[in-house]
Amino acid sequence: NAGVTQTPKFRILKIGQSMTLQCTQDMNHNYMYWYRQDPGMGLKLIYYSVGAGITDKGEVPNGYNVSRSTTEDFPLRLELAAPSQTSVYFCASSPERGGGGELFFGEGSRLTVL
Amino acid sequence: DQQVKQNSPSLSVQEGRISILNCDYTNSMFDYFLWYKKYPAEGPTFLISISSIKDKNEDGRFTVFLNKSAKHLSLHIVPSQPGDSAVYFCAARNYGGATNKLIFGTGTLLAVQP
Repeated sequence: NAGVTQTPKFRILKIGQSMTLQCTQDMNHNYMYWYRQDPGMGLKLIYYSVGAGITDKGEVPNGYNVSRSTTEDFPLRLELAAPSQTSVYFCASSPERGGGGELFFGEGSRLTVL
Repeated sequence: DQQVKQNSPSLSVQEGRISILNCDYTNSMFDYFLWYKKYPAEGPTFLISISSIKDKNEDGRFTVFLNKSAKHLSLHIVPSQPGDSAVYFCAARNYGGATNKLIFGTGTLLAVQP
């Protein structure tokens, strides 16, 4: 039972490079999210999706893009990487709204931009 | 504007004693409050939640108390065990939103000393 899987776990980028963080879930959840966590800070929502083909911005979307072509996958694209994007990125999923709002998180992807 | 605040960055407790982690919030429209536990190099995992219409929820050694008039909630762990050592995040969900988007506090690092 894999849950939410993120790749890569670690990556070092140079300023101006681009990359995609992959996220896939096998729980058939419609809702998926991307959060980032900076040292000493809580998790901040970057983008979210309520189903295939539907995405929306969270609190800190600048410098990122997402797509949702299938229920399972929710990749996060970083264009023109900047040092401010050095962070740990977490993908999460949840069932339809209802219940206690529980999110299921992946193990995280640590990105360093030099 | 930090809507969910955890004012104690760290807490140290002796094994067997009670751990009390605190969280304050400003938005009276939150309908669910959740606690997540995070070990190093892992994603956050759900621990316990409470609806805004309740004032207490208990699950084994973990109890969450909600004081709506004070906009304050706390997580009690009794008895504390060394395996409880982790970062604990308080999170809240906004009533009326279309998803389970959560707003997170900055976390409290709990160290349980053997």
